[in-house]
Amino acid sequence: GAVVSQHPSWVICKSGTSVKIECRSLDFQATTMFWYRQFPKQSLMLMATSNEGSKATYEQGVEKDKFLINHASLTLSTLTVTSAHPEDSSFYICSAERPSGVYEQYFGPGTRLTVT
Amino acid sequence: DQQVKQNSPSLSVQEGRISILNCDYTNSMFDYFLWYKKYPAEGPTFLISISSIKDKNEDGRFTVFLNKSAKHLSLHIVPSQPGDSAVYFCAARATGTASKLTFGTGTRLQVTL
Repeated sequence: GAVVSQHPSWVICKSGTSVKIECRSLDFQATTMFWYRQFPKQSLMLMATSNEGSKATYEQGVEKDKFLINHASLTLSTLTVTSAHPEDSSFYICSAERPSGVYEQYFGPGTRLTVT
Repeated sequence: DQQVKQNSPSLSVQEGRISILNCDYTNSMFDYFLWYKKYPAEGPTFLISISSIKDKNEDGRFTVFLNKSAKHLSLHIVPSQPGDSAVYFCAARATGTASKLTFGTGTRLQVTL
């Protein structure tokens, strides 16, 4: 159990376009999902916390108008990178929290975004 | 400000020997610690965790030790296997921040034959 999927696994887009990444918890309901970004050989940086039915909470320095997060249901959160630029190229990973009392996060396989 | 640090970017260990991965933290509000294993182009996989009220937690070949006074934790893998080769991240959660995790910079473990 505790499987989290992401779609797409990789995407190439042109500068100025928008890209949507989906994160789904397949076998449990997740009231809270998280979006991370990882640069090569660096740590995972938390971008935002997504709560079902409410606005996402963004970390300091993350542009909320650029990285739109929607947590429409207990099994789906989406991250939309708007007006993408080459510096947005990165590995984006989501995680979902399974309500088990110990706040364990289960991670998706990640999405590689390349903006040309 | 890196609140969780893994000072060794890489570690090489022979198969069958013990691997020790270290992690230091600065935030005294951290009360729960986790270790994740990550392969390239994949999401992290949870390995083992420890609460701040304990100093040791063991699960099969994996043992995590916590030294609160030193703000230091370590992950021991014994015996090490070639399949353990991956990047290992420690992560910490602070009291009152629900499940928000702060990750370390990672240590690449290479288990050689």
